[in-house]
Amino acid sequence: ETGVTQSPTHLIKTRGQQVTLRCSSQSGHNTVSWYQQALGQGPQFIFQYYREEENGRGNFPPRFSGLQFPNYSSELNVNALELDDSALYLCASSLAQGELEQYFGPGTRLTVT
Amino acid sequence: AQSVTQLGSHVSVSEGALVLLRCNYSSSVPPYLFWYVQYPNQGLQLLLKYTTGATLVKGINGFEAEFKKSETSFHLTKPSAHMSDAAEYFCAVRRGFKTIFGAGTRLFVKA
Repeated sequence: ETGVTQSPTHLIKTRGQQVTLRCSSQSGHNTVSWYQQALGQGPQFIFQYYREEENGRGNFPPRFSGLQFPNYSSELNVNALELDDSALYLCASSLAQGELEQYFGPGTRLTVT
Repeated sequence: AQSVTQLGSHVSVSEGALVLLRCNYSSSVPPYLFWYVQYPNQGLQLLLKYTTGATLVKGINGFEAEFKKSETSFHLTKPSAHMSDAAEYFCAVRRGFKTIFGAGTRLFVKA
């Protein structure tokens, strides 16, 4: 059984650019959540996708958007990057929408200069 | 609103000593509570969770936590620290689709 994978591992972007981060969920998991973890802080919930629909969102602006595909892989897109977007971005998949247990990927480290 | 407070951003213990990481939560209803561990350059791994029932929860790697409703606490303990326990630990509360994490406690283990 393959765990949650994320790509790329590291990424450097310039302020104002756009970025796409990718996540491959654990086999059989139809729900994915994305988190932003700034340096020295706990993860902050961005949004959750269930069966290709966004079904919950945290306090993040609309320039943070996502997609979930029929194979349950997903993307996080961030437009108009700001310096404060520099963080570790984690995705977590779970077996079903109400499932408490989430399985986290290793994250993508985004640096905005 | 729910929140999680972890007391102490850094905790240092000697190898073999008791590990105690503190977590308090605020919630208007009985919560679902979690402890996660994060090793350098890795994602989060679930140590244990409390949903309902027995208030003393045992997790992986010898960790356990006790849910105390009267104190709104969910402290994490391990009787004897090992060098491999050095990591960042996060307490979290779940409500609906959203998991809210504390700021984390970094555990240092001295030889």
